[in-house]
Amino acid sequence: DAGVIQSPRHEVTEMGQEVTLRCKPISGHNSLFWYRQTMMRGLELLIYFNNNVPIDDSGMPEDRFSAKMPNASFSTLKIQPSEPRDSAVYFCASSPETDTQYFGPGTRLTVL
Amino acid sequence: GDSVTQMEGPVTLSEEAFLTINCTYTATGYPSLFWYVQYPGEGLQLLLKATKADDKGSNKGFEATYRKETTSFHLEKGSVQVSDSAVYFCALSIRTDKLIFGTGTRLQVFP
Repeated sequence: DAGVIQSPRHEVTEMGQEVTLRCKPISGHNSLFWYRQTMMRGLELLIYFNNNVPIDDSGMPEDRFSAKMPNASFSTLKIQPSEPRDSAVYFCASSPETDTQYFGPGTRLTVL
Repeated sequence: GDSVTQMEGPVTLSEEAFLTINCTYTATGYPSLFWYVQYPGEGLQLLLKATKADDKGSNKGFEATYRKETTSFHLEKGSVQVSDSAVYFCALSIRTDKLIFGTGTRLQVFP
């Protein structure tokens, strides 16, 4: 079992650039979650999908952030344009038909 | 609204000391309760869970009991090791999807 796979593991970009983070959930899991973790704000839920449909995006900070799940095995989180305050660790998690979530290793984003 | 409150860290202990990390919750329904652990540079991992009142979750020497009367789910371990140094998150779930996390408590164990 490969677990949740995220790429890239580290991303350094300049302010104004587009950033795309990728996630492959565990096969058979039907819910997918995107979180952001910072020292100041802790762990924040950005958006979650169930059966590829966005259910709750109330945590998405602003229109610069968008997320898609075109199929059951892939999701993206895009930031356009990026800003220094977006620097954080972004986690993807997936869940089967239970309340237990399985987290990926995270993507550390630095926006200069 | 539903929420989780954890004791602030860091918690600093010597190896083999007894550990308690307090967690209380507020929920409108009957939540499932969780402890997740995050080791340095990694994602969160489920440590233990309890789905109804008086249930005890346990794993790797850690335990927590779902106390409905005090709305608490305190994490305990009888003898901590240096390898237990991590950040511990308490969480609840009302439905089978969204988790509500506490702010996390950092544990530092010294030899």
